[in-house]
Amino acid sequence: QIVVTQEPSLTVSPGGTVTLTCGSSTGAVSSTYYPNWIQQKPGQAPRALIYSTNNKHSWTPARFSGSLLGGKAALTLSGVQPEDEAEYYCLLYSAVGWVFGGGTKLIVL
Amino acid sequence: QLQLQESGPGLVKPSETLSLTCTVSGGSISSSNHYWGWIRQPPGEGLEYIGIVYYSGSTYYNPSLKSRVTLSVDTSKNQFSLKLRSVTAADTAAYYCARLFSGGGVDYWGQGTLVTVSS
Repeated sequence: QIVVTQEPSLTVSPGGTVTLTCGSSTGAVSSTYYPNWIQQKPGQAPRALIYSTNNKHSWTPARFSGSLLGGKAALTLSGVQPEDEAEYYCLLYSAVGWVFGGGTKLIVL
Repeated sequence: QLQLQESGPGLVKPSETLSLTCTVSGGSISSSNHYWGWIRQPPGEGLEYIGIVYYSGSTYYNPSLKSRVTLSVDTSKNQFSLKLRSVTAADTAAYYCARLFSGGGVDYWGQGTLVTVSS
C-alpha cells in the first residue's frame, strides 16, 4: 500500500515563507493523485485548505498555495501568521483509495 | 452552509461493534458530485482514512480495515453511517465524517466524536 511521507516538523518565523512537501512511496506525485492539504489545530477538527494540487476552498487564506515541486506535492505559506501554527496533513488519492501522510507540525517562532 | 454532525456511543466494549451516524444539514446527501467519508484519529496520532460511501450505496474501503467495516447511507434521513466490528483498544480514536467531491478532494468536516474502546 502507498505510504505518504511528510516532514515531521518545520519551524518558521512570523512573516516568513515555508514550504511543506508530500511524497509517495510509489514514485513522483502528479496531479492524478489529487493532492489535498488539511490543517488541524490542537483540539479542533481538521479543516481543508487545498484540493487537486492547487485549488483553494472559499475559506482558504490567500497566503496558502499548493503546487507540485520536485516530484512531490507542496504547500507554501507566504507571510506566515502566528495562527498558522498547526499540524498539516497531505492527502493523496491512490489505486486503493485515499491515503493520509503522517502530518507536519508547523511551529511559528 | 453545509454541516456534518457525528453521533453515537462514546464507549464501546472490546469485541463489540462501533456504530456511528453522520447527519448532513444544509445540503443533500443525494448529490451526484459528492461522496461521504469517515476518517479517524487515535489520540496524539495522525489521520486515517476509513472509507467512503456514495448516495447510491457504493462503497470504497481502506484495505487495512475492509474486513471489519461497513458504510451505509440513508437518503431519507440525509445520514450516512459507520459500523466497525470486533473492536479493540487500537480502535480508540476521534471519528470524523467528511464530504468528498468528484474532481479530487475533501471539503467539509464534522466536529468529530471520541470513541473509547474499553471494558
